[in-house]
Amino acid sequence: QKEVEQNSGPLSVPEGAIASLNCTYSDRVSQSFFWYRQYSGKSPELIMSIYSNGDKEDGRFTAQLNKASQYVSLLIRDSQPSDSATYLCAVNGWNSGGYQKVTFGTGTKLQVIP
Amino acid sequence: GAVVSQHPSWVICKSGTSVKIECRSLDFQATTMFWYRQFPKQSLMLMATSNEGSKATYEQGVEKDKFLINHASLTLSTLTVTSAHPEDSSFYICSALRDRGEGQYFGPGTRLTVT
Repeated sequence: QKEVEQNSGPLSVPEGAIASLNCTYSDRVSQSFFWYRQYSGKSPELIMSIYSNGDKEDGRFTAQLNKASQYVSLLIRDSQPSDSATYLCAVNGWNSGGYQKVTFGTGTKLQVIP
Repeated sequence: GAVVSQHPSWVICKSGTSVKIECRSLDFQATTMFWYRQFPKQSLMLMATSNEGSKATYEQGVEKDKFLINHASLTLSTLTVTSAHPEDSSFYICSALRDRGEGQYFGPGTRLTVT
């Protein structure tokens, strides 16, 4: 079982719709959860972080975390063609040496159709 | 902001030569920096974790003698690809951690082509 799992997609949504991106993780002691956006040929960009159960909203983005189910999601409201990118889920934990260990999912490709 | 720069943004080198890539956190001190490699249409692959003042921790399968990492200050980490070969051609991306538990801030990446 992969440590962080995402559906690779592509997920196609029409412009103006809500895009829902999902991620599951295996390490129960994970504390911090992040969503990154990566445009083709570019490096990832941090767009959302969430640390506690529930919803966190930032503009058109809402991150949702359910630690009991080991599930984190990203909702994008009013999707725009410019949102078309690969979205990476990342989970932070700590390794045995006390240093941060970050595990990324393989990403979900989102296509917003005009 | 939390800005991370990389230099150069792209480089072409001949097989057998060495290439150094710099990663700088411009407006914060980064105790930890990470180096990734990404091949076309593939996922990010973590190569190593670099902590200021200590040796880098390399991921399994990454040759530490080939990919030399130096994290000499809280704002600068370097990756040197030694004796580069065409199969080392890739997109190399660094990231920096501002605070423990926060997300990483990525540099813009360096596209390496070895001929």
